[in-house]
Amino acid sequence: DAGVIQSPRHEVTEMGQEVTLRCKPISGHDYLFWYRQTMMRGLELLIYFNNNVPIDDSGMPEDRFSAKMPNASFSTLKIQPSEPRDSAVYFCASSGPQGRTEAFFGQGTRLTVV
Amino acid sequence: GQQLNQSPQSMFIQEGEDVSMNCTSSSIFNTWLWYKQDPGEGPVLLIALYKAGELTSNGRLTAQFGITRKDSFLNISASIPSDVGIYFCAGHKINRDDKIIFGKGTRLHILP
Repeated sequence: DAGVIQSPRHEVTEMGQEVTLRCKPISGHDYLFWYRQTMMRGLELLIYFNNNVPIDDSGMPEDRFSAKMPNASFSTLKIQPSEPRDSAVYFCASSGPQGRTEAFFGQGTRLTVV
Repeated sequence: GQQLNQSPQSMFIQEGEDVSMNCTSSSIFNTWLWYKQDPGEGPVLLIALYKAGELTSNGRLTAQFGITRKDSFLNISASIPSDVGIYFCAGHKINRDDKIIFGKGTRLHILP
């Protein structure tokens, strides 16, 4: 398996624009996590899904952030409208099968909002 | 909310030295995980611990699951330049629907 695949690797956008980050989890994994990493706050869990269903989105900063998982092999994290303080590295991770809790991370998307 | 206290925040050591870092929590965890993150990459799992008291090795790395279930440590023996990076501990509770909580990380620097 190629591991967790995220795209794009880098994104630079202007404030107010919509940003969509994409993730393909490891095949067979039933959990998918979206994390945000900054120097100040470290790794923060934004939202996670189990079997494509959002379980806990309490980490989503505000209504500008939304995440979907339309099927077992794809998830998106959308920011609309983006703001400079959203600049961070966004990681997607997946875990499974049942009973295994180790999360495997993608390489991340470095988002810069100017 | 739940927090993992990871220490030290950063370390500067000489090549060849042993390294020790730890993670503590006020909560009990069922699983402890240790990750390493290289610059520009995502965290990579190093060791997973599932039982209180468990001691597990992965090459020069050794990690232990504390018997109180509230702490874990990671040791690196005979450090080499490629050990540079950020090391994260993470904890997970019995119910798999609970979140994986990450520490703030220990940044390891190796002096030439």
